[in-house]
Amino acid sequence: DTAVSQTPKYLVTQMGNDKSIKCEQNLGHDTMYWYKQDSKKFLKIMFSYNNKELIINETVPNRFSPKSPDKAHLNLHINSLELGDSAVYFCASSRRTGALSSRQFFGPGTRLTVL
Amino acid sequence: DAKTTQPPSMDCAEGRAANLPCNHSTISGNEYVYWYRQIHSQGPQYIIHGLKNNETNEMASLIITEDRKSSTLILPHATLRDTAVYYCIVRGEGGSEKLVFGKGTKLTVNP
Repeated sequence: DTAVSQTPKYLVTQMGNDKSIKCEQNLGHDTMYWYKQDSKKFLKIMFSYNNKELIINETVPNRFSPKSPDKAHLNLHINSLELGDSAVYFCASSRRTGALSSRQFFGPGTRLTVL
Repeated sequence: DAKTTQPPSMDCAEGRAANLPCNHSTISGNEYVYWYRQIHSQGPQYIIHGLKNNETNEMASLIITEDRKSSTLILPHATLRDTAVYYCIVRGEGGSEKLVFGKGTKLTVNP
């Protein structure tokens, strides 16, 4: 069974469109994350949610809005897509506290291409 | 910014041990050392973590120096499937702390 799943795997869209990426985890974790990996392969955290509450919010344009309907889901909605948004987006989850909070389980990624 | 320094690339022969070094000279007393790897086009995968004692699991061993300023990840019998980018990360406890990924070490296991 897939622990952290993301849909879609690939997303190709035009500039200016609005799109969403969905993430689900079946590990019973309290905390979920979104990371962005750009063309230079740098992996950077964007957001972190714990029990539907935002706990980390990096300097990300407000066109990006994470939404957590419940602790098993963290979706990423992106408005007015720009060329620079092209990247691979990874969802991850972990326990809330302690050293094991850094043992994050990552999804397979969503490759977003903005034309 | 990442608090660790790793060589950009390393090569290893299949079946031999792969020893991946990491410097973290500014590590503080409550920070752990974590290792992740990312196989091409996949999500990062947790390997191991430690505080000050050496650790071993089914994937690898982690050797941390006594002063905790550096560590080495050891893959005892590297296989072609171990070809990946390996990230050494220093982080404290707590869910509000970030995992900061640096550039990592690209390990290539050769047949």
